[in-house]
Amino acid sequence: DTAVSQTPKYLVTQMGNDKSIKCEQNLGHDTMYWYKQDSKKFLKIMFSYNNKELIINETVPNRFSPKSPDKAHLNLHINSLELGDSAVYFCASSHPTGPGNTIYFGEGSWLTVV
Amino acid sequence: GQQLNQSPQSMFIQEGEDVSMNCTSSSIFNTWLWYKQEPGEGPVLLIALYKAGELTSNGRLTAQFGITRKDSFLNISASIPSDVGIYFCAGQLSGSGYALNFGKGTSLLVTP
Repeated sequence: DTAVSQTPKYLVTQMGNDKSIKCEQNLGHDTMYWYKQDSKKFLKIMFSYNNKELIINETVPNRFSPKSPDKAHLNLHINSLELGDSAVYFCASSHPTGPGNTIYFGEGSWLTVV
Repeated sequence: GQQLNQSPQSMFIQEGEDVSMNCTSSSIFNTWLWYKQEPGEGPVLLIALYKAGELTSNGRLTAQFGITRKDSFLNISASIPSDVGIYFCAGQLSGSGYALNFGKGTSLLVTP
């Protein structure tokens, strides 16, 4: 009964590879996000989708391409992986009409690029 | 996005002690939230604050939304070992798709 689930939890890959992280939420939320947490634990927004439409796109290399096939899913595809892409990537979701637009996070995907 | 100033960066305390951490911003927010992250997990919401001056409790946790809307604090009373983790403040502007702006976190260690 996980609310926001993302796969894989751990991913080790070589530089130059292309990889995807999948995210699904069963909360009925309209808005989904991708956050990146660096080695110093700082959490920073990457993307936000509302009802499958991109509404936030922070300064992220275009090697990162989010895809939202429906409002319950937001996947993250990364091309030509670089060492600096190593981080924890968190998917999150929220309901815009809920009080304070509270955001709920998945458990994270630990990406290591070698 | 706005970066929040969260302090202290880390705390090492004994079980039973009270803990206080705070967050400030140069911009106002409509909502302040406090999250806790344990090792290997995602951030989990502890308390959400929606109005300036609001004081809200959740068990041993108490948080307040500053009157100026530019700050918030979180207190933990009578700490226990399972309080260990990283506590993040986050500010948010209302509206669809407004993402959270996070503080850098306060790492809390509690010794028995």
